Amino acid sequence: QVQLVQSGAEVKRPGASVKVSCKTSGYTFTSFGISWVRQAPGQGLEWMGWVTAYRGNTHSAQKFQGRLTMTRDISTSTAYMELRNLRSDDTAVYFCARLREIGPVTPFDYWGQGTLVTVSS
Amino acid sequence: EMVMTQSPATLSVSPGETATLSCRASQSVGSNLAWYQQKPGQAPRLLFYGASTRATGIPARFSAIGSGTEFTLTISSLQSEDFAVYYCQQYNHWPPWTFGQGTKVEIK
Repeated sequence: QVQLVQSGAEVKRPGASVKVSCKTSGYTFTSFGISWVRQAPGQGLEWMGWVTAYRGNTHSAQKFQGRLTMTRDISTSTAYMELRNLRSDDTAVYFCARLREIGPVTPFDYWGQGTLVTVSS
Repeated sequence: EMVMTQSPATLSVSPGETATLSCRASQSVGSNLAWYQQKPGQAPRLLFYGASTRATGIPARFSAIGSGTEFTLTISSLQSEDFAVYYCQQYNHWPPWTFGQGTKVEIK
């Protein structure tokens, strides 16, 4: 069965960076892209960016451009999200999610369990 | 940027009753609209895509319709496990994919 398993919770100081992993299994990794979505405490869902699994092309939401790097390792079927220059309002649960179909006009059908990132001095 | 507006913010419903949730897009998204269910401490779960196509394993008491800018999710005969937050998401205009702010379905 399809599974996305994320790395554990992180606590970071303002200005630091965090890298979250999303290890996938149960499907052909290179056939489906991975999106990253975050959720601040008590808030809704915010799309951050997307990485194509085959070529590794990335597309980021404008508000994260310059701070967000998304990569993938085909050999381990793992996607990564790194957010730099963290601020207190980056405190959130970060989710990876698989695109249901090849290409961007598609929803997200499988999600990781989420990774809590806390930014605090 | 596309704006998705969900109403109401909170819906109080008794078990066994029907809940009707709305989602409006600031411009047409065609049928490229999905619905997700999220329970506390869990990841979102895909319920519908293509505005009205039920995802794998979703019970028939859930139904969804709409196109263009107006969409509706209906949950009939609410069960205890249906009390959750529901989000709509457009994936027609990207980036960014955008979500509504959510509707919380709570026990009356």
